[in-house]
Amino acid sequence: ELKVEQNPLFLSMQEGKNYTIYCNYSTTSDRLYWYRQDPGKSLESLFVLLSNGAVKQEGRLMASLDTKARLSTLHITAAVHDLSATYFCAVDRAGNNRKLIWGLGTSLAVNP
Amino acid sequence: EAGVTQFPSHSVIEKGQTVTLRCDPISGHDNLYWYRRVMGKEIKFLLHFVKESKQDESGMPNNRFLAERTGGTYSTLKVQPAELEDSGVYFCASSQAQGGEQYFGPGTRLTVT
Repeated sequence: ELKVEQNPLFLSMQEGKNYTIYCNYSTTSDRLYWYRQDPGKSLESLFVLLSNGAVKQEGRLMASLDTKARLSTLHITAAVHDLSATYFCAVDRAGNNRKLIWGLGTSLAVNP
Repeated sequence: EAGVTQFPSHSVIEKGQTVTLRCDPISGHDNLYWYRRVMGKEIKFLLHFVKESKQDESGMPNNRFLAERTGGTYSTLKVQPAELEDSGVYFCASSQAQGGEQYFGPGTRLTVT
């Protein structure tokens, strides 16, 4: 069974600091996604990672994928308050009808 | 282009009542997904429509849940009768192609008291 684990689940950090959120998954998957959710808002797609060694960056966020370790990281550089949100990772697999299997989410609070 | 919309945004009902959630996908998106997040748990897949057909309903919790997508446009998810454990946020997503990027609505927060 495909399972996804994220850690930490809660993260309180100061502006200007760096931190990493980790996402492990249990069996082979095809694609790994990172989503962001602001309270009461939609889940917004941040990154889709397809292959081993893939790295994508958008602003202060950088996501990477190691398919051998079944691990993805979401690195936050020089955090700002606007990054406060809940971040989810999810995976899918063609043999699993492409339905998304989700982690619990990481609730990030960036404090001044 | 309008995104995925869901109605209502919040619903509070008593145990035993019926509630119907609605999802309007992005126009032209044949694939429509329902997911649910129960408090403290991960978001879980409920079912997937391709046009009006149920492609995969393996995540539906039990027969109190009925999803429809008549005409292949909007979808409804009815819970009858609602139980306390049905409380959570119900998300809808749509994609143009099967396996394509899924675009999510804001969710409906259902509270059963």
